[in-house]
Amino acid sequence: DIQMTQSPSSLSASVGDRVTITCRASQTISSYLNWYQQKPGKAPNLLIYATSSLQSGVPSRFSGSESGTDFTLTISSLQPEDFATYYCQQTFSTPLTFGGGTQVEIK
Amino acid sequence: EVQLVESGGGLVQPGGSLRLSCAASGFSFWSYAMTWVRQAPGAGLEWVSTITASGATTFFADSVKGRFTISRDNSKNTLYLQMSSLRAEDTAIYFCAKSSVGGYDFGMDVWGQGTTVNVS
Repeated sequence: DIQMTQSPSSLSASVGDRVTITCRASQTISSYLNWYQQKPGKAPNLLIYATSSLQSGVPSRFSGSESGTDFTLTISSLQPEDFATYYCQQTFSTPLTFGGGTQVEIK
Repeated sequence: EVQLVESGGGLVQPGGSLRLSCAASGFSFWSYAMTWVRQAPGAGLEWVSTITASGATTFFADSVKGRFTISRDNSKNTLYLQMSSLRAEDTAIYFCAKSSVGGYDFGMDVWGQGTTVNVS
């Protein structure tokens, strides 16, 4: 099974900050990496698919990139509505594993 | 409006069974793989199972393999998760989700609100 190691598990940031979240895959997953945002009491929301493709309706301040088996979600300028938990997920092979999540909190 | 609505959750004793349903509307249900994802209290997301658009192929997490069955009725636009031999560790909110493209490759772009299963 492919393990997804997400870091950090939590971070504190201010509105306007640039935020970076990383996911490392235990083996190659090509570009089959997706990012979700989840707010308390709500279902997850797809932000980015296939490493760097922005889902329709998602603000352009969200972006994704990869370097080998390391994948990064970047929020260029954190907005109040971005405080949430973020998850990566690989869809290269089953089981379709999620990372452990990163909680983004207000500083 | 594209929508998924789960039902069937509840309180069940260990060893018991439960069937979850997910009613889809607003899209061509028969064209998309569908997935169940769960979230235990205070925990992260856990992929449970995926079924292809035709229903011919299914995939399961090791934690539920042999106990859970996924199925779909494309004539009724409904996804199911039959859960048996339930354990305390199956307690979670169960979400159904639609693949963003036909297969599961590019994530899930529509999610239901979730239904709660409590095994106690």
